[in-house]
Amino acid sequence: AQSVAQPEDQVNVAEGNPLTVKCTYSVSGNPYLFWYVQYPNRGLQFLLKYITGDNLVKGSYGFEAEFNKSQTSFHLKKPSALVSDSALYFCAVRAKAAGNKLTFGGGTRVLVKP
Amino acid sequence: EAGVTQFPSHSVIEKGQTVTLRCDPISGHDNLYWYRRVMGKEIKFLLHFVKESKQDESGMPNNRFLAERTGGTYSTLKVQPAELEDSGVYFCASSQDFPGRTVVPYEQYFGPGTRLTVT
Repeated sequence: AQSVAQPEDQVNVAEGNPLTVKCTYSVSGNPYLFWYVQYPNRGLQFLLKYITGDNLVKGSYGFEAEFNKSQTSFHLKKPSALVSDSALYFCAVRAKAAGNKLTFGGGTRVLVKP
Repeated sequence: EAGVTQFPSHSVIEKGQTVTLRCDPISGHDNLYWYRRVMGKEIKFLLHFVKESKQDESGMPNNRFLAERTGGTYSTLKVQPAELEDSGVYFCASSQDFPGRTVVPYEQYFGPGTRLTVT
């Protein structure tokens, strides 16, 4: 069975400071990893994905994530947070041999204060 | 290009009633998925269609839930009869993956969700 953990329910950061949203996963075999963001009253928007290759993945809106196989982590990062980054962030995993279904973490609410 | 659309955006029904949710995927996407988020918990997979066929329905909670995708275009998810624990947000997603022929997985594009409240 595959699972995802997002240990922080909420992350508070000041505008301009670095933002990190943590994610760890458990899956049999090699994983495909995804980050999605949900803004208020909107659906989930795809940010980035890790498939293979370079462990540092760059995505939309200046976000990036680092795949760490030994720590089974895929933390989302942004060097300088904006107030508009305030939203709900979801990490998801898909196992190569387990079909297309995504397994999501519980979500982390990010609040960026001016 | 239009995104994934869902209807209605909100639905409030009484316990025991029936509700039907609709999802229109992105045009050309053969893969359609249903997920739901209950009580602010994790988003859980319900099922996966490839065209009109159910590829994986391992996440369907019980036989009160019926999903269809006639003609391989839009999909409906019917809950009959609804129970209090069915309240939550139901998301639909679609992707371009081709089972057996895709080397790199495509991302799934999500709709805005339907918020279902059962009272």
